[in-house]
Amino acid sequence: DGGITQSPKYLFRKEGQNVTLSCEQNLNHDAMYWYRQDPGQGLRLIYYSQIVNDFQKGDIAEGYSVSREKKESFPLTVTSAQKNPTAFYLCASTRTSNSYNEQFFGPGTRLTVL
Amino acid sequence: KQEVTQIPAALSVPEGENLVLNCSFTDSAIYNLQWFRQDPGKGLTSLLLIQSSQREQTSGRLNASLDKSSGRSTLYIAASQPGDSATYLCAVRHDSWGKFQFGAGTQVVVTP
Repeated sequence: DGGITQSPKYLFRKEGQNVTLSCEQNLNHDAMYWYRQDPGQGLRLIYYSQIVNDFQKGDIAEGYSVSREKKESFPLTVTSAQKNPTAFYLCASTRTSNSYNEQFFGPGTRLTVL
Repeated sequence: KQEVTQIPAALSVPEGENLVLNCSFTDSAIYNLQWFRQDPGKGLTSLLLIQSSQREQTSGRLNASLDKSSGRSTLYIAASQPGDSATYLCAVRHDSWGKFQFGAGTQVVVTP
């Protein structure tokens, strides 16, 4: 089955710790995205990548970092510089090569700061 | 900067009634618009994608319309069921490579 997997489902972070959220897709999609969702709010874009070894900051990139070494993988690191990281994190991907480039989402990771 | 608005933020209807969900955007130069459903604590599920050249798209009980000139899209869900209870989000995109801009969503409750 093609799709997007995110792990872990739940993650707990202590103050001052960096944590990494995993996102893997087997849809052969070029573009991948990381969003943050807070209760009662829409999705806010953290980072996105249109091609391997290249990525762009979204609207709320401060305190986060990413890498795109493989087409299938787009991990997100939440650094200690992110002061309010408790949120629901969603990874998504799309094709970029034709006009019908529907965006697909993973199941999400819920991060809680202890 | 593109702004996407969904009004109302919440909606409650009795089972069997048709649902009408609205999505407005300020910049009409969009590439496509996508409607999603989100259940509590879950990821987003794609419902319909409308290309900028299309006026509407249909899938089963769902129909989405697009009026670029007025900056609006409407999602119609016919004969609502309790299983349709969820948050519905719309997102617009300006080109095939770029990012999506999301609305905050409409939370729908269908009562038996």
